Amino acid sequence: TQLLEQSPQFLSIQEGENLTVYCNSSSVFSSLQWYRQEPGESSVLLVTVVTGGEVKKLKRLTFQFGDARKDSSLHITAAQPGDTGLYLCAGARWAAGNKLTFGGGTRVLVKP
Amino acid sequence: SAVISQKPSRDICQRGTSLTIQCQVDSQVTMMFWYRQQPGQSLTLIATANQGSEATYESGFVIDKFPISRPNLTFSTLTVSNMSPEDSSIYLCSVVLGRGEQYFGPGTRLTVT
Repeated sequence: TQLLEQSPQFLSIQEGENLTVYCNSSSVFSSLQWYRQEPGESSVLLVTVVTGGEVKKLKRLTFQFGDARKDSSLHITAAQPGDTGLYLCAGARWAAGNKLTFGGGTRVLVKP
Repeated sequence: SAVISQKPSRDICQRGTSLTIQCQVDSQVTMMFWYRQQPGQSLTLIATANQGSEATYESGFVIDKFPISRPNLTFSTLTVSNMSPEDSSIYLCSVVLGRGEQYFGPGTRLTVT
């Protein structure tokens, strides 16, 4: 059974600070996806990383896939209140039919 | 991406009844999944909805409780049968596009009283 450990579970920071969310596993994934979920809303796909060592930037968000494709991180620079939400990482293995295994989620609160 | 709609968006149901949730996609997709997200928790995969054949269920989920239909490549239904308060949750369908990117529908918020 694949297991994705996400940390921290909860993060409360002031506007303008930086934050990093980690997603770790002992299993190799074909791809890893990051989602954000705002209160009362569904999960919105932020990025998909596929290649080991890959780094993707989305404005103030930087996503990295580990060289061994077992871990990933999400770094937010100069966080804003609009970044508040639940961040979820999810790994997929093509050999397993692309079923996603989700991490436990990180709840981020950015205070103005 | 794809445009995914779900009906109903929310419902309040009595214990012992059943609810069928619909998922419609604006393009043909091979892979479609159903997930559940309980309050304050992450998403859990219920099953893979296979077009033209029986769904493939994950451990802890059975067809009698969560029957799934997938009559074509743009539509699927999930039924939550004989509901109990423990079934109160958000139910989401998702589709896989392109390089394995998975997109989620808006969800159906179910409350069982």
